[in-house]
Amino acid sequence: ETGVTQTPRHLVMGMTNKKSLKCEQHLGHNAMYWYKQSAKKPLELMFVYSLEERVENNSVPSRFSPECPNSSHLFLHLHTLQPEDSALYLCASSLRARVDYGYTFGSGTRLTVV
Amino acid sequence: GQQLNQSPQSMFIQEGEDVSMNCTSSSIFNTWLWYKQDPGEGPVLLIALYKAGELTSNGRLTAQFGITRKDSFLNISASIPSDVGIYFCAGPTGGSQGNLIFGKGTKLSVKP
Repeated sequence: ETGVTQTPRHLVMGMTNKKSLKCEQHLGHNAMYWYKQSAKKPLELMFVYSLEERVENNSVPSRFSPECPNSSHLFLHLHTLQPEDSALYLCASSLRARVDYGYTFGSGTRLTVV
Repeated sequence: GQQLNQSPQSMFIQEGEDVSMNCTSSSIFNTWLWYKQDPGEGPVLLIALYKAGELTSNGRLTAQFGITRKDSFLNISASIPSDVGIYFCAGPTGGSQGNLIFGKGTKLSVKP
């Protein structure tokens, strides 16, 4: 248990479905991150939130929509995904002013798009 | 942009052997972090290094901050099957308030 909890752990969805991934941390961190990890491109940074404000969006397609309602919760809303979006989606958190302390990662959501 | 290059990409070793891997960059880093990712899990921080030349151990793992500040090394002694996983190096861009960048990882397989 790292202190960052992701749900669900596994998700299978059709290309026309809408689903959401959830991430929760109670470490007192004020920055949260979404990463995509696939076999071809390990650890791609998708979004960065600092103090609930999106500070980075790495050219992620609009079918991925993040939401950060407060510093403890982060969501990734998914709609009309493609099979190539199948991957492990990792959430992480940190102190924004001390990333040299590292990120704390959740266990990930394994997403399969059929 | 900044990049971290890890080698080797993968290793297949016998239980009991020692393991060495490294991470290099064309840019100077003031912090080096080493993570391990178990299969099906998220990466977990193993060791953090903050000073050039620093040598830090965590059980059978030892990591070193290169004196040029452009590289770091991770050694695992007397490997065991649970050492299997992917080992990532990481470093902060833009000082302590930037983002972390990650290497592509070294995948370790251990044969009992």
